[in-house]
Amino acid sequence: AQSVTQLDSQVPVFEEAPVELRCNYSSSVSVYLFWYVQYPNQGLQLLLKYLSGSTLVKGINGFEAEFNKSQTSFHLRKPSVHISDTAEYFCAVSKGTGFQKLVFGTGTRLLVSP
Amino acid sequence: DTEVTQTPKHLVMGMTNKKSLKCEQHMGHRAMYWYKQKAKKPPELMFVYSYEKLSINESVPSRFSPECPNSSLLNLHLHALQPEDSALYLCASSQGLATSGQGEAFFGQGTRLTVV
Repeated sequence: AQSVTQLDSQVPVFEEAPVELRCNYSSSVSVYLFWYVQYPNQGLQLLLKYLSGSTLVKGINGFEAEFNKSQTSFHLRKPSVHISDTAEYFCAVSKGTGFQKLVFGTGTRLLVSP
Repeated sequence: DTEVTQTPKHLVMGMTNKKSLKCEQHMGHRAMYWYKQKAKKPPELMFVYSYEKLSINESVPSRFSPECPNSSLLNLHLHALQPEDSALYLCASSQGLATSGQGEAFFGQGTRLTVV
């Protein structure tokens, strides 16, 4: 079975600083990886996805992530954050076949302060 | 139109009530999902419908009853719920198989349910 680990429950950062949110996965089969963002009292919005191909994936709002198979990681990065990036970020994995039976990590709350 | 619309946004119901949550998408997606999200927790899959048939039931109690009347609509019928069922219920849809590169799920804004 797949599982996703987000070690950091909360990441405080100052505006315009870079940030990295960590995600590690475990699976015995090939997986597809996703990052979703959830703003307060909202649903989930897809930031980016890794299905295959280039290991560096660019998403919306200036975010990018790098798939590292040897380290089973899919860390999310942004070179310069804004106050509006304050939200909950979820890493998710699916088995890569069939429909999207997503397994989510526990989430990382990104807190951006002035 | 890349929206998944859920109604109502908020719902308060008693333990003896019967209510329904509704979800609609007009993206031509053939898979639709219900997720449950407790406060400060990640979403957990409840049900998956593919081509209007129930594909996955993640051992959800029978007091939750899903229904897919057509390819655009997904309902979740609620009956005799418990206070611990209070949560954000999220609907999602996806076009097809993940291998097609079109499998990512689009989520609605959710229905915040409170059982009293």
